[in-house]
Amino acid sequence: KNQVEQSPQSLIILEGKNCTLQCNYTVSPFSNLRWYKQDTGRGPVSLTIMTFSENTKSNGRYTATLDADTKQSSLHITASQLSDSASYICVVSDRGSTLGRLYFGRGTQLTVWP
Amino acid sequence: EADIYQTPRYLVIGTGKKITLECSQTMGHDKMYWYQQDPGMELHLIHYSYGVNSTEKGDLSSESTVSRIRTEHFPLTLESARPSHTSQYLCASSEWPSGQGKNTEAFFGQGTRLTVV
Repeated sequence: KNQVEQSPQSLIILEGKNCTLQCNYTVSPFSNLRWYKQDTGRGPVSLTIMTFSENTKSNGRYTATLDADTKQSSLHITASQLSDSASYICVVSDRGSTLGRLYFGRGTQLTVWP
Repeated sequence: EADIYQTPRYLVIGTGKKITLECSQTMGHDKMYWYQQDPGMELHLIHYSYGVNSTEKGDLSSESTVSRIRTEHFPLTLESARPSHTSQYLCASSEWPSGQGKNTEAFFGQGTRLTVV
């Protein structure tokens, strides 16, 4: 069964600190992995997207890593800001169907305190 | 910023009413999707479309229907709203991958928060 599991479920950190969010998946055949940021009550916004041949990608203070062998990904946030408070969702796409089905994790709810 | 729009953003409606949630994109994408998301939960695919006159049901059973008469427009309709339909509805679009292993970005609208009382 294709699944995406994220940890931790929630995380509280102080402003300026770094943090790392984890994503494990069983989606096969794998096409790509995306990290999205979703503010409360809004739609997800893409942070990074990686294929199996890419093992790291950065977008400002966000750095995603991918290990396609162990089917794990992480999202590292550097020097956190209050505006980073949001849900971070790991999404894996398969290439076994024409649709390119997206499989969503439940997200990690990050709260940044001043 | 993605050019995909959903209206209304918030809707409170009585049981039994018919409602249509609007979704429009100006990127010329063929593929469009509707997802349902409850608080703290993952997104569940309820409908998708490959292009004009194409509509398919997703993974999560839904009493809603969709239509795709124009590329840019993918409305979702509930003929008779019930409290169990209370949720957030997210519309998304993407283009067809242009080559093997090519990444295709999926863009999401801001969502419609539906409450049925």
